[in-house]
Amino acid sequence: KNEVEQSPQNLTAQEGEFITINCSYSVGISALHWLQQHPGGGIVSLFMLSSGKKKHGRLIATINIQEKHSSLHITASHPRDSAVYICAVRMNYGGSQGNLIFGKGTKLSVKP
Amino acid sequence: NAGVTQTPKFRILKIGQSMTLQCTQDMNHNYMYWYRQDPGMGLKLIYYSVGAGITDKGEVPNGYNVSRSTTEDFPLRLELAAPSQTSVYFCASSYSGAPGTYGYTFGSGTRLTVV
Repeated sequence: KNEVEQSPQNLTAQEGEFITINCSYSVGISALHWLQQHPGGGIVSLFMLSSGKKKHGRLIATINIQEKHSSLHITASHPRDSAVYICAVRMNYGGSQGNLIFGKGTKLSVKP
Repeated sequence: NAGVTQTPKFRILKIGQSMTLQCTQDMNHNYMYWYRQDPGMGLKLIYYSVGAGITDKGEVPNGYNVSRSTTEDFPLRLELAAPSQTSVYFCASSYSGAPGTYGYTFGSGTRLTVV
């Protein structure tokens, strides 16, 4: 069983639609990251969350620690948002690795 | 500010050859990581380092070696390349502040094919 599960695996939307990508995890965490990977492969960090909600432009990320769940929302989606969105968690153990556990990603395609 | 620089971007190796993937960061991050990304799978940790002179195995270390002689550099060595090592490799770095306060920076990736 994967420790980090994302849904959906693939998502196709029309330009302008509101998009939600979900992430559930099964372990205690100290932080959750949302990452974006464009075709061509580079990975960019979008958000780091330990509680509540963060907003950056048209992107909103929320986390519910008690329910072990996070969502990434994109408002007024645009074809340039097409990418793979990856959820990753830092496990909450006492060691100092700082390592992330990654979900498999959600491939988003926004059609004009 | 360059961030995390990985070289090369692409490489084709023959079975049994060796190579070193280079990774350099200029953010004075103490933590550095090597991940591999296989199609349809999440990134898997190969090796990590919490500071110069300190390295440890991750989830999939077999067939790889690392060293960390300086804070900036964290090269990944592949010995006796095998087709199973065909993958995209990412180097990353982070700073270990209080839990939840650190961010990660990723390199642009190295696409390696072993034939």
